[in-house]
Amino acid sequence: EAGVAQSPRYKIIEKRQSVAFWCNPISGHATLYWYQQILGQGPKLLIQFQNNGVVDDSQLPKDRFSAERLKGVDSTLKIQPAKLEDSAVYLCASSLTLNYEQYFGPGTRLTVT
Amino acid sequence: GENVEQHPSTLSVQEGDSAVIKCTYSDSASNYFPWYKQELGKGPQLIIDIRSNVGEKKDQRIAVTLNKTAKHFSLHITETQPEDSAVYFCAANSPETSYDKVIFGPGTSLSVIP
Repeated sequence: EAGVAQSPRYKIIEKRQSVAFWCNPISGHATLYWYQQILGQGPKLLIQFQNNGVVDDSQLPKDRFSAERLKGVDSTLKIQPAKLEDSAVYLCASSLTLNYEQYFGPGTRLTVT
Repeated sequence: GENVEQHPSTLSVQEGDSAVIKCTYSDSASNYFPWYKQELGKGPQLIIDIRSNVGEKKDQRIAVTLNKTAKHFSLHITETQPEDSAVYFCAANSPETSYDKVIFGPGTSLSVIP
């Protein structure tokens, strides 16, 4: 079965610019997660969807980050405007439903200059 | 909320030796402890997990032990091979939510020297 797909794999932008990441979860997976992984740290959950509804976005900096999963399948994560401290790998994961094993995509490495 | 600490941050072992990574957690109500392996340029992959109703779990060369009283758990890799080289993350669930929100430790970079 195909894994979690993410694009782009790499992105370099200047501060104050905007950027968007795309995620396609494993087919049939109801739960989708976006994590931020800063170099040398473990992944930190930004937002979690169950189908097209938000389960948890308590760690999402809502003044600049937004995410959607309109049809309960693909998802996009946007940053506007970007700051230097947003440089990180953004990981998407999916699971069959809540409380099941999470499968991670390869991530998007964002560099903000 | 839950806080997970992990030691050591880096670990080098000779091929064939054992490797041990230790983690502690803060919330005594946590009951699910997964371990992930992350290779360079890839996302984390679940390698083993343990729930609080057992003290040990094994899968071939990998084992995890859990001490709920002390709030710590460990990953043991025996007969290490070069392909075991990666970053390993421990994690614990955050029981304040009704679902398995997982909090990750900072990671251990394991190098297996041929």
